[in-house]
Amino acid sequence: EAGVVQSPRYKIIEKKQPVAFWCNPISGHNTLYWYLQNLGQGPELLIRYENEEAVDDSQLPKDRFSAERLKGVDSTLKIQPAELGDSAVYLCASSLTGNTEAFFGQGTRLTVV
Amino acid sequence: GENVEQHPSTLSVQEGDSAVIKCTYSDSASNYFPWYKQELGKRPQLIIDIRSNVGEKKDQRIAVTLNKTAKHFSLHITETQPEDSAVYFCAAFRDYKLSFGAGTTVTVRA
Repeated sequence: EAGVVQSPRYKIIEKKQPVAFWCNPISGHNTLYWYLQNLGQGPELLIRYENEEAVDDSQLPKDRFSAERLKGVDSTLKIQPAELGDSAVYLCASSLTGNTEAFFGQGTRLTVV
Repeated sequence: GENVEQHPSTLSVQEGDSAVIKCTYSDSASNYFPWYKQELGKRPQLIIDIRSNVGEKKDQRIAVTLNKTAKHFSLHITETQPEDSAVYFCAAFRDYKLSFGAGTTVTVRA
């Protein structure tokens, strides 16, 4: 069984530029999460989807961050414009609806210069 | 929201010794407590979990204990091996949201 797939693995951009991350969850997993992980810290939830609906986006900085999961499968997370402080690892995770175990992708390491 | 504190932040142990990591949580409604292991540059992976109706769970060399009254839970690794070196995260789950601790960097000395 394929795990959660994220791309790209690494991204370096200049500040004020836009950037997008892509996530393909485990097949059949209706719940999808985007997490932010700063160096030396635990993951922090940005947004959670149940199918195509964003049911918890309270931690998403909506002035510059956006996310979508149009068909309830793949998801993209976008930052526009990026700031230096956005440098971090962005993790995607998925789980079966009603099942609490979350499976993580490899993450995208973003560096904003 | 839930606040999870994790101690220690770093832990160095001699190969073969035991390692213990402790976490506390603030929300008594949290009902699921997973532990994740993250090796450098890799994804967090679930190694063991415990639900609020259980006090202890063991899987080979790792075990987790939960004290609901005191709102703390611990990870125990026995007979540590070099491949146990990694960052370990505890988490508390409520309403489909996982709140993570800051992590413990475990180094097993050969």
